[in-house]
Amino acid sequence: KAGVTQTPRYLIKTRGQQVTLSCSPISGHRSVSWYQQTPGQGLQFLFEYFSETQRNKGNFPGRFSGRQFSNSRSEMNVSTLELGDSALYLCASTLTAGAYNEQFFGPGTRLTVL
Amino acid sequence: SQKIEQNSEALNIQEGKTATLTCNYTNYSPAYLQWYRQDPGRGPVFLLLIRENEKEKRKERLKVTFDTTLKQSLFHITASQPADSATYLCALFGSGNTGKLIFGQGTTLQVKP
Repeated sequence: KAGVTQTPRYLIKTRGQQVTLSCSPISGHRSVSWYQQTPGQGLQFLFEYFSETQRNKGNFPGRFSGRQFSNSRSEMNVSTLELGDSALYLCASTLTAGAYNEQFFGPGTRLTVL
Repeated sequence: SQKIEQNSEALNIQEGKTATLTCNYTNYSPAYLQWYRQDPGRGPVFLLLIRENEKEKRKERLKVTFDTTLKQSLFHITASQPADSATYLCALFGSGNTGKLIFGQGTTLQVKP
């Protein structure tokens, strides 16, 4: 069974631009969560989607948004990029909704904002 | 405020010894606690989940304890090997089915041959 895939793996953008990251969950998994990981703040929860609905949201500004499609694939978007948005963005999938479930993480997208 | 604390300093031990990592939390009432392993440049990998009504969980060389009175979880790796060298993250799931999974900063373990 293929694992969670994320594209692109690496991205370089400049301040003010916007970016869209993609995540394909494990086949059959219907829940996708997104996390931001930085050396200073560690792994921080962004949002969780299940059946195309956002179930939960972390404490991030409205510039961070996401969506989930009917095939469970998910995208997250960051608009008006800031230097502080440079991070590893991880998505994780679970079979059903509920963060208590084992999270299967993808390899992440490394975003660098210049 | 809610806080999860893991040893920020790296833990260095000799191969064959038992590694013990600590996860302390305050102002949480977690229903579940999970441990993950993360290697450089990769996503975390799930290791173990323990529920609030479980005191201990084992999986091969791994053992996790969960003390809701002390608000602490201990993660043990027995007979450690250099391949166990990685960063280990604890994560708490709060109450309610729509709770978030909150991660600690992680502890880096270095096992020397």
